[in-house]
Amino acid sequence: EAGVTQFPSHSVIEKGQTVTLRCDPISGHDNLYWYRRVMGKEIKFLLHFVKESKQDESGMPNNRFLAERTGGTYSTLKVQPAELEDSGVYFCASSQAWGVGTEAFFGQGTRLTVV
Amino acid sequence: GQNIDQPTEMTATEGAIVQINCTYQTSGFNGLFWYQQHAGEAPTFLSYNVLDGLEEKGRFSSFLSRSKGYSYLLLKELQMKDSASYLCAVSYMIKAAGNKLTFGGGTRVLVKP
Repeated sequence: EAGVTQFPSHSVIEKGQTVTLRCDPISGHDNLYWYRRVMGKEIKFLLHFVKESKQDESGMPNNRFLAERTGGTYSTLKVQPAELEDSGVYFCASSQAWGVGTEAFFGQGTRLTVV
Repeated sequence: GQNIDQPTEMTATEGAIVQINCTYQTSGFNGLFWYQQHAGEAPTFLSYNVLDGLEEKGRFSSFLSRSKGYSYLLLKELQMKDSASYLCAVSYMIKAAGNKLTFGGGTRVLVKP
């Protein structure tokens, strides 16, 4: 069974440009999460989808970040325009159900570098 | 906030035992996970605790005390391949239909020969 896949694995863009990250969760997983780890900091929650609905987007830094999950399958995270402080590793995770003990499976992350 | 604290780095010798502590805020607690992350790779699930006590899984064990907001991950018979970051993550019930995993900063374990 395929795991959580993220694309691209690395992205280097200039300040002011736009970047779109993609996450394909494990098939059948309704829950999809985006996390971010900036240099030297802990992994921080960005938002949570249940199917195509945004369940919790309290971790989104500002309105330059837009996440979508049309059709409840894959998700995209767009940063527009990118700033230097957006550099970091963006992780996507998915889980099968929301109940107690639900394990989240992580993708390998997208390393974003804004120069 | 929901601060989760764990040591930044630990060093141990091959074959030894290392214990990684994690403390967290208890309000809304809905389970605690430990993940292992090798450099450049995805975090991978190690263990889950929701009730007090010790969960043993091979060389790895995880302990939870809900009243104290405390957990530890015990790594026994350390191997060189155990060198990695270990992430403590707490699931908090945010809404009726969702849990949110909140991570500590990770503990980097270095195993020396």
